[in-house]
Amino acid sequence: NAGVTQTPKFQVLKTGQSMTLQCAQDMNHNSMYWYRQDPGMGLRLIYYSASEGTTDKGEVPNGYNVSRLNKREFSLRLESAAPSQTSVYFCASREDRATEAFFGQGTRLTVV
Amino acid sequence: TQLLEQSPQFLSIQEGENLTVYCNSSSVFSSLQWYRQEPGEGPVLLVTVVTGGEVKKLKRLTFQFGDARKDSSLHITAAQPGDTGLYLCAGGTGNQFYFGTGTSLTVIP
Repeated sequence: NAGVTQTPKFQVLKTGQSMTLQCAQDMNHNSMYWYRQDPGMGLRLIYYSASEGTTDKGEVPNGYNVSRLNKREFSLRLESAAPSQTSVYFCASREDRATEAFFGQGTRLTVV
Repeated sequence: TQLLEQSPQFLSIQEGENLTVYCNSSSVFSSLQWYRQEPGEGPVLLVTVVTGGEVKKLKRLTFQFGDARKDSSLHITAAQPGDTGLYLCAGGTGNQFYFGTGTSLTVIP
């Protein structure tokens, strides 16, 4: 099983450019999440989706938008990238509360 | 400020030593999880604790959930170089799912 698949794995953007990070899961999970992780730090929640058609802000939503296209896919969009958004981005999914979260391999984004 | 604070942030110990990592919050969680993350990879689940006061053991790792379900600890006995990694606690409130600030452990052979 593929689990959670993120694309791309690496990306370099210039300040002001836009891009969309893609995430898909094949485990039929209801909940999906986007996190960012800065060097040596924990993960900070950007946005989450408890079910298809719903999205909610997490701890650090500013500068990002999300779309839960269907139950499988949850995308993260940067409309105008800034150097402060340089980070590693992880997508995760889980069945429901108190169950294991499964993660993608991460997207390493650099904004110059 | 993150919802879940871990201490210490960095820990470097000799092989064979014991250590404890703490995860604290002012919020009550219905359950709390511990994950381990290797460089370049996503976190992987170690354990889930759901009952206040619960203690779970996983070989040399012992996890405890506080009575008030606001805090947790991870104790490693006789640490080995293979234990090196980033340890993260995680808890949910409603549909949200937050991670702690992380503890980076290095075990020196």
